[in-house]
Amino acid sequence: GENVEQHPSTLSVQEGDSAVIKCTYSDSASNYFPWYKQELGKRPQLIIDIRSNVGEKKDQRIAVTLNKTAKHFSLHITETQPEDSAVYFCAASIGSSNTGKLIFGQGTTLQVKP
Amino acid sequence: DVKVTQSSRYLVKRTGEKVFLECVQDMDHENMFWYRQDPGLGLRLIYFSYDVKMKEKGDIPEGYSVSREKKERFSLILESASTNQTSMYLCASSLEFNYGYTFGSGTRLTVV
Repeated sequence: GENVEQHPSTLSVQEGDSAVIKCTYSDSASNYFPWYKQELGKRPQLIIDIRSNVGEKKDQRIAVTLNKTAKHFSLHITETQPEDSAVYFCAASIGSSNTGKLIFGQGTTLQVKP
Repeated sequence: DVKVTQSSRYLVKRTGEKVFLECVQDMDHENMFWYRQDPGLGLRLIYFSYDVKMKEKGDIPEGYSVSREKKERFSLILESASTNQTSMYLCASSLEFNYGYTFGSGTRLTVV
């Protein structure tokens, strides 16, 4: 079946450094790629998304890049802060379905050390 | 602000019990989803619905069923709870295709 692979599973950085999380997907028809942040004990929240007609998108300190040829996309967080510590999930839409179904990666636990 | 409300934050049930998890959204979203979240496995889709009375299986539907009698409410049913169904269950809704999800707060279910 279709899947999304996410790496690394854990990431520890010093405050102020950059963090990069990478995902690969298998379904060549995927065209929507959201990223979610889940703080401890809370619900996942959408932080940024990208569609297949765009190669890069930025929102303040976060950016997402998409390489459709290679079927991978990445989340970049610059100038990390302790409040960025959370679990991050990537996701990809599944095929030609019109139901908005997403497959999620396994998650990356990001720790930002003060 | 879209709200997705799950009726219980924590549940403890016995093996063999029939369990109902309820989810309600207040923004007239077409699509609703049930995922389970387990460490190291991410979020796995159990069932989803794109219209009232419509449902489709996700990746791990075995042991579960769903009901969507009204647009705002999507229920997950564990027909006969087993210990391997101990997990965090997340409900989500989305406006339409290729829109981000809004998640509920989750129900942590323990089956003993």
